[in-house]
Amino acid sequence: EPEVTQTPSHQVTQMGQEVILRCVPISNHLYFYWYRQILGQKVEFLVSFYNNEISEKSEIFDDQFSVERPDGSNFTLKIRSTKLEDSAMYFCASAPRVDEKLFFGSGTQLSVL
Amino acid sequence: SQELEQSPQSLIVQEGKNLTINCTSSKTLYGLYWYKQKYGEGLIFLMMLQKGGEEKSHEKITAKLDEKKQQSSLHITASQPSHAGIYLCGAPRDFGNEKLTFGTGTRLTIIP
Repeated sequence: EPEVTQTPSHQVTQMGQEVILRCVPISNHLYFYWYRQILGQKVEFLVSFYNNEISEKSEIFDDQFSVERPDGSNFTLKIRSTKLEDSAMYFCASAPRVDEKLFFGSGTQLSVL
Repeated sequence: SQELEQSPQSLIVQEGKNLTINCTSSKTLYGLYWYKQKYGEGLIFLMMLQKGGEEKSHEKITAKLDEKKQQSSLHITASQPSHAGIYLCGAPRDFGNEKLTFGTGTRLTIIP
């Protein structure tokens, strides 16, 4: 079965540094998402992306966050200046249509020191 | 905002026994997804329910949606070690909305 691929699986960074989390969604999917899960907490929606623009974002997704689909295959989440509270597992997801099930990647564990 | 409460939070079941996990929404459900998360890994899709009264089964897992009660249940029959993990329910905010709100999760442990 096709799958969503995320790299790296673990990322350690210093507070204030920029990080880019990478995702390769399933090739014929049109809707792309980032979710995150802080240790011990719920999985939370961050942002959705369709037709090369953000379609919805949560309160968490502030000016420090940005997403991009630089080519036909990659979907990236950038955090400009990381904070300690950005430490979490970040999940990328994609779907063929808006009302179809989301396929999730295995996540990137981000640790901010 | 919508809240999804799952019960129980944690479940320890002997291999071969049946079990049920519940997910209750604070608002109208416009569909309900069940995912399984293995410790520290991604979310694996299990089931999607879209209509009230809908029931779906896959292998030994059955999920039902009770729209009136704003509730869904996930039932596992004759549990196996491979069923161990964290079960999450997720619901769209409204019809056709892409943003999913997830529940608190139920941690399932299967003992031999």
